[in-house]
Amino acid sequence: EVQLVQSGAEVKKPGESLRISCQGSGYNFTSYWISWVRQMPGKGLEWMGRIDPSDSYTNYSPSFQGHVTISADKSFSTAYLQWSSLKASDTAMYYCARHPDYYGSGKPGAFDIWGQGTMVTVSS
Amino acid sequence: QSVLTQPPSVSGAPRQRVTISCSGSSSNIENNAVIWYQQLPGKAPKLLIYYDDLLPSGVSDRFSGSKSGTSASLAISGLQSEDEADYYCATWDDSLNGLGFGGGTKLTVL
Repeated sequence: EVQLVQSGAEVKKPGESLRISCQGSGYNFTSYWISWVRQMPGKGLEWMGRIDPSDSYTNYSPSFQGHVTISADKSFSTAYLQWSSLKASDTAMYYCARHPDYYGSGKPGAFDIWGQGTMVTVSS
Repeated sequence: QSVLTQPPSVSGAPRQRVTISCSGSSSNIENNAVIWYQQLPGKAPKLLIYYDDLLPSGVSDRFSGSKSGTSASLAISGLQSEDEADYYCATWDDSLNGLGFGGGTKLTVL
């Protein structure tokens, strides 16, 4: 079965660092990109950025550039989303999703497999 | 502020047909593929329609997508209570150099 399994819920204080993970299985992890998507409580979906696990090339949404770091370890078929200093406004559900490169355009294709989500709560 | 505009809510009776619009511009919808996702309450999103009008394997053919110019639409025929969910359109925006989602539309089956 093709799936993405994310790490568990986190409760952190402002200023703390955090790394959450997304492990792929049932497919060739380096054949698809991984994107991260934020969903704040009661709100819509926001694309944060993506990584090509084959070479760790990343690109970020302008809204998230500099605020988070996306990385991957292909030997563990795992992608990561990392913060160096959390804020209360980072409280949200975070999803990873796999997708192809849209016909070699460099743009994301359809997100066909999603992780179950990781809830991050930042509160003093 | 989303680059794609969807109505906040739509509703319909069982067995009826509803459409959800997604309005954009020449920098996004007109020149890039539109994708639709369904998010059931408390669940992760699910791919519903890809590349404007293609149906993934396993998705009911009651769902269909279309695009014309700077707008796209999702149609759901034969409404069922299980269709109650939030629906999102998404596409690349060449001006933002990023993927944009619509604000989402909540479908209520009356």
